[in-house]
Amino acid sequence: EAAVTQSPRNKVTVTGGNVTLSCRQTNSHNYMYWYRQDTGHGLRLIHYSYGAGNLQIGDVPDGYKATRTTQEDFFLLLELASPSQTSLYFCASIRDRGNTLYFGAGTRLSVL
Amino acid sequence: GEKVEQHESTLSVREGDSAVINCTYTDTASSYFPWYKQEAGKSLHFVIDIRSNVDRKQSQRLIVLLDKKAKRFSLHITATQPEDSAIYFCAASKDYAQGLTFGLGTRVSVFP
Repeated sequence: EAAVTQSPRNKVTVTGGNVTLSCRQTNSHNYMYWYRQDTGHGLRLIHYSYGAGNLQIGDVPDGYKATRTTQEDFFLLLELASPSQTSLYFCASIRDRGNTLYFGAGTRLSVL
Repeated sequence: GEKVEQHESTLSVREGDSAVINCTYTDTASSYFPWYKQEAGKSLHFVIDIRSNVDRKQSQRLIVLLDKKAKRFSLHITATQPEDSAIYFCAASKDYAQGLTFGLGTRVSVFP
C-alpha cells in the first residue's frame, strides 16, 4: 500500500509563530494535497501540487503557503500562525487522475 | 464551486442490519464519487468509489448507488459488523487532480 508520511505528528505553537508541516511520499505520485479537518467543516483543501515546483490554490488558502520541493516532498507553511489555524492537517497523494487518494496519518496543530 | 451535503451526521444500527448514508452534490460536471472511512483517532482510507458512467457498484458488503438526475449518491453497508463503526465521508470531484470536495461525515455506530 502507498505510504504518505507526515511530520511532526503533533505541534504546539504560539500566536504569530512560524510552523512548517512536512509530507513525504515515496510512491512516485504526481499529485499531492494538504487538507485541514475541523469539526463542523469536514475536510477542506488548502493547497495542492501537480509535481515538483508546481503549486495550486485550494479552497481555504488564506494564511498558508506551500512548497513542493521534489516529487516526494510537499510542505505547508504557516508564517504567522493564528488560533483559527488550530486543526488536524492531512497530506494526501495520488499517482494519476482517477486513482485512489492516500492519506497520511495527520498532524495535530495547536496555536495558543 | 462544488458543495457536497452529507445528510446523516450520525447513524446507529444493530449488528447485522444495513446502514445507508446519503449525499447530494451541486455540480453537474462532477463525475467521480469516492467514500472514505476514518476510524477513531486514525487517518482516512478509501473504501469504495463510483464514476458517473455507472449507477451501481458493489464491493463485498458495500454498495454505492448514483442518481445523476437527482445529483445524489449513497453508501449501503450491508450485514454490518462492529468493525464498520467509524466516520464515513462522501466526496465528489469533476477533475480529480484538483482535489476532492468532502461531505461533513457520518458517524456510524454498530451495536450488538
